Formats: sequence, C-alpha cells, structure tokens
Amino acid sequence: AQKITQTQPGMFVQEKEAVTLDCTYDTSDQSYGLFWYKQPSSGEMIFLIYQGSYDEQNATEGRYSLNFQKARKSANLVISASQLGDSAMYFCAMSFYNQGGKLIFGQGTELSVKP
Amino acid sequence: ETGVTQTPRHLVMGMTNKKSLKCEQHLGHNAMYWYKQSAKKPLELMFVYNFKEQTENNSVPSRFSPECPNSSHLFLHLHTLQPEDSALYLCASSQESRGDTQYFGPGTRLTVL
Repeated sequence: AQKITQTQPGMFVQEKEAVTLDCTYDTSDQSYGLFWYKQPSSGEMIFLIYQGSYDEQNATEGRYSLNFQKARKSANLVISASQLGDSAMYFCAMSFYNQGGKLIFGQGTELSVKP
Repeated sequence: ETGVTQTPRHLVMGMTNKKSLKCEQHLGHNAMYWYKQSAKKPLELMFVYNFKEQTENNSVPSRFSPECPNSSHLFLHLHTLQPEDSALYLCASSQESRGDTQYFGPGTRLTVL
C-alpha cells in the first residue's frame, strides 16, 4: 500500500528557532517523488520543496531543507529560523512516475510560531 | 494573472442547484487536477486531465462532472450535491501527469445547504 504518515498533528516553535516536521512513507516502488506543501488559513496549497527518490543529496530551498532517509522511508522537513508567517498547515505528499501524477497526501501538521 | 486561479473563491448552493467551478492556469502546463479537501481529512484526488484527456477518475460520484476544453482551463460542474460535499475544492496543474510538481490554486470553499 502507498501511504504517507505525519504523526505530529500540531507543533509549536519559537520565532527564529529551527523546527523539524516528520513524514514517513510506505511504498514498494523504486521511482517516486516526495513533496512538502504549506497551506495557510487562506486555503492555498503552496509548493515548498521536492525530493526525487534517486536524488542522493538532500533538497534545499532557502530556509527549507528536506532530510531524506531512503532506507528509513522518511522525508522530514526542516525549517530554519522560523518566522511568524510560517504558521500554517504543512503537508507531505508523494507521487509516482507511472501513476498518472496522482499525489498522495499525509494528514498534515499544524505549525504555530510563537513570538 | 499568474499561476493558477480559481473562481469563485466561495460558493453557497442548495442541493437542487447547478453551479460550476472554474480553474485557469497560466504556467503553460499540460496536466490539470481537481482535489477535494474535507475538514480533518487529507486531500483526495478527484480527476486528472493530461493534454485535455481525462486520465483519472477516482471513483467520484456522477454529480461531479469535469470538463477540460483546453490545457489551460478546467471546470467542475456540480448538480444535486449533498451537504457532505461541502469542502474546499482545489485545482492544480503540472507540466505533465507523470509525477511533476503540482502547483495549486487558492481553492473554492463550497457549502451545500
């Protein structure tokens, strides 16, 4: 079965500190992509970062980095120097090259940044 | 306009109404998607179109009818909906439907009375 699990329903972090949001996945496919999206209260799903299953280096995009541990099937998102505007829902998602673009989402983690 | 736009942003309809949701992408992509996000649930894929052809229908009830006249526009026609259909409906697009990064619109928040 293909599944994404986010075990942290809610997280708090102090402004300017780093935070790690957990994501584990289950698949027997060898070729897949892992994504993180941010969803503010306005509803829009904002793409943050992508990691391909064959990428050997962890992806980074500005303050976001993806800690990819393939053997453990984990793809944690690290946000450095948290800002108040980072308060939102964060979703981990997975897609497969041969499955028509279907994105499988986790349940999400609600991050609150405290001043 | 840039990115992916959706109209209307909010919609309230009765169970006997007929309405349509519109999505337009300005990214030059060839694949478009409809997702449903109910409260406290992960996003659920509804439909996928690749080069205007429907390639995925995720067992969606027939009261939801998609239409993709070209690669830039996607519609979701709604009729005789149920209150449990109240949700946020998100449109997305990607270069092609092969696992490429999907970019989402702001969503339409639908309430069925």
